[in-house]
Amino acid sequence: GAGVSQTPSNKVTEKGKYVELRCDPISGHTALYWYRQSLGQGPEFLIYFQGTGAADDSGLPNDRFFAVRPEGSVSTLKIQRTERGDSAVYLCASSLKTGVRAFFGQGTRLTVV
Amino acid sequence: GDSVTQMEGPVTLSEEAFLTINCTYTATGYPSLFWYVQYPGEGLQLLLKATKADDKGSNKGFEATYRKETTSFHLEKGSVQVSDSAVYFCALIPGDNAGNMLTFGGGTRLMVKP
Repeated sequence: GAGVSQTPSNKVTEKGKYVELRCDPISGHTALYWYRQSLGQGPEFLIYFQGTGAADDSGLPNDRFFAVRPEGSVSTLKIQRTERGDSAVYLCASSLKTGVRAFFGQGTRLTVV
Repeated sequence: GDSVTQMEGPVTLSEEAFLTINCTYTATGYPSLFWYVQYPGEGLQLLLKATKADDKGSNKGFEATYRKETTSFHLEKGSVQVSDSAVYFCALIPGDNAGNMLTFGGGTRLMVKP
């Protein structure tokens, strides 16, 4: 596609449920980033992939959060046992390689009720 | 740790007014500095950047100068338009960051009235 695509655009889930958020990066981009943007705040880094491997997951808040990128393209952010505090917009970005401009998707708005 | 502080909004201006959004940072080494913009209903877009001290980034009439002595990267525009209404984020990548992960400020909402 022309840009970074994230699905779904909106997700409402009940507390305690499991959710998956998907990111389709720009074709050929090897670097992929996940950020979380809480209401009224700037995005915060979660995890970074270079190819298939998670090169830096230091931003994941706890072990309920996990992300994969098995074929080096699409990535899925997985959240177990969701809590109301997980409610935020989850942003994905990709770049052709590390060190060049990253392009952001429009995000998935997650609401935990 | 690394951090970015920017003025809280909203900033409300009339069309053709002068804009300044203040941004200061704390970082080790020599970071690269960025301004991103988020228009209503759209994703984050890179507006401009500067990679070393005294560099000036510019785009769409916006400018920001990397001031190492004051650790600042203030965003300016001489004459704003209604279409500039958006949320603006100042951000940095530390000089020693191999993965190029961004650290963002809290964002400043700009509202321009006709």
